[in-house]
Amino acid sequence: NAGVTQTPKFRILKIGQSMTLQCTQDMNHNYMYWYRQDPGMGLKLIYYSVGAGITDKGEVPNGYNVSRSTTEDFPLRLELAAPSQTSVYFCASSPQEARGLHETQYFGPGTRLLVL
Amino acid sequence: LAKTTQPISMDSYEGQEVNITCSHNNIATNDYITWYQQFPSQGPRFIIQGYKTKVTNEVASLFIPADRKSSTLSLPRVSLSDTAVYYCLGGLSGGSYIPTFGRGTSLIVHP
Repeated sequence: NAGVTQTPKFRILKIGQSMTLQCTQDMNHNYMYWYRQDPGMGLKLIYYSVGAGITDKGEVPNGYNVSRSTTEDFPLRLELAAPSQTSVYFCASSPQEARGLHETQYFGPGTRLLVL
Repeated sequence: LAKTTQPISMDSYEGQEVNITCSHNNIATNDYITWYQQFPSQGPRFIIQGYKTKVTNEVASLFIPADRKSSTLSLPRVSLSDTAVYYCLGGLSGGSYIPTFGRGTSLIVHP
């Protein structure tokens, strides 16, 4: 299994441009997440999904959109890039087999985004 | 949000035991405590998880007192490769599933 894969690894965007960060997992996990991590800080949840067709906002959803048409894929869309979105973006997945149990999350390698 | 508090940084030397304590005063009855490790330029990696008392695996031990308001991650005989940021997660957020990563504890192991 490849686990969680993310593309691209690095991207430079101009202000106002748009892009999609791709995330794919091959573990048949129901739950998927998008986080951003600013330098020296912890991870902040942007959006999450509990299954195909279901998404919900996390702590910092403004400026982002997601979709979950399949179990495997959970792309993150930036419509109008702003310098404040310069960050490292991590995608994660978890099986979430039992309510109440904080399931182990498996993280991708991250996408480093620079908005100029 | 389910908040946790842990030291921002710690220093240690190779071969020593390191204990990192995390407080999670508002942890819910059903929630577990989970610890992750993150190396520079990588995503976090699961280390250990527990509900109460003591849990041990090949990487670390986790001690959780009866009131579950705190937990201690214990790394035996650390090496340089244990230099990383360690995050404590104290469960879910209210009725929704929003795992909360704080700033973590930056552990630096010196030769």
